[in-house]
Amino acid sequence: GAVVSQHPSRVICKSGTSVKIECRSLDFQATTMFWYRQFPKQSLMLMATSNEGSKATYEQGVEKDKFLINHASLTLSTLTVTSAHPEDSSFYICSARDSAGIGTGELFFGEGSRLTVL
Amino acid sequence: AQTVTQSQPEMSVQEAETVTLSCTYDTSENNYYLFWYKQPPSRQMILVIRQEAYKQQNATENRFSVNFQKAAKSFSLKISDSQLGDTAMYFCAFMKHGSGNTPLVFGKGTRLSVIA
Repeated sequence: GAVVSQHPSRVICKSGTSVKIECRSLDFQATTMFWYRQFPKQSLMLMATSNEGSKATYEQGVEKDKFLINHASLTLSTLTVTSAHPEDSSFYICSARDSAGIGTGELFFGEGSRLTVL
Repeated sequence: AQTVTQSQPEMSVQEAETVTLSCTYDTSENNYYLFWYKQPPSRQMILVIRQEAYKQQNATENRFSVNFQKAAKSFSLKISDSQLGDTAMYFCAFMKHGSGNTPLVFGKGTRLSVIA
């Protein structure tokens, strides 16, 4: 199946610093990628939809200036958590849909990135 | 907006037995997909099974099958011959049919424990 790689898998940073998380589709092109956030023992909540070559679409309540998303190519989307604070500590998961297989509906998920802000 | 409800936060089953996880959803769409994803302790999301709403036949993947009741907006997952490796969080998800930028909407999940 299609592979989505997410990096880093774990990151610890100090409060006030910025952290970048990368999401790559390794063997397919992804016009659209999605970023989810998952708190412990909770479900995945959609943060934003990332479209190649255009601005991301953010869900209500998600600060676009805090969670910067860039989707510069068909295989790479990045999420930057700016001026991170302890409440931003969470598990961030990206997902992508193969542009050639939109009809299947299937999303492929990265391994996730655990962010801990001290 | 679509919503997905999983009413069983936790379930357990004996190894080799059968267990059914419940899922209901609410939508005004007529064309959509439904999914069950598994999230083991590694946190990697794994697709278990997919159902297209226009198909009346219930999807089956080896030991996993669904009972899709479109009128009732119900989409339960049956796991037969449960194995220890089935222990995980299971998420029911909905996606409306459309362009490639439609996301998945997830239920809150059911934590399944398979007991030896």
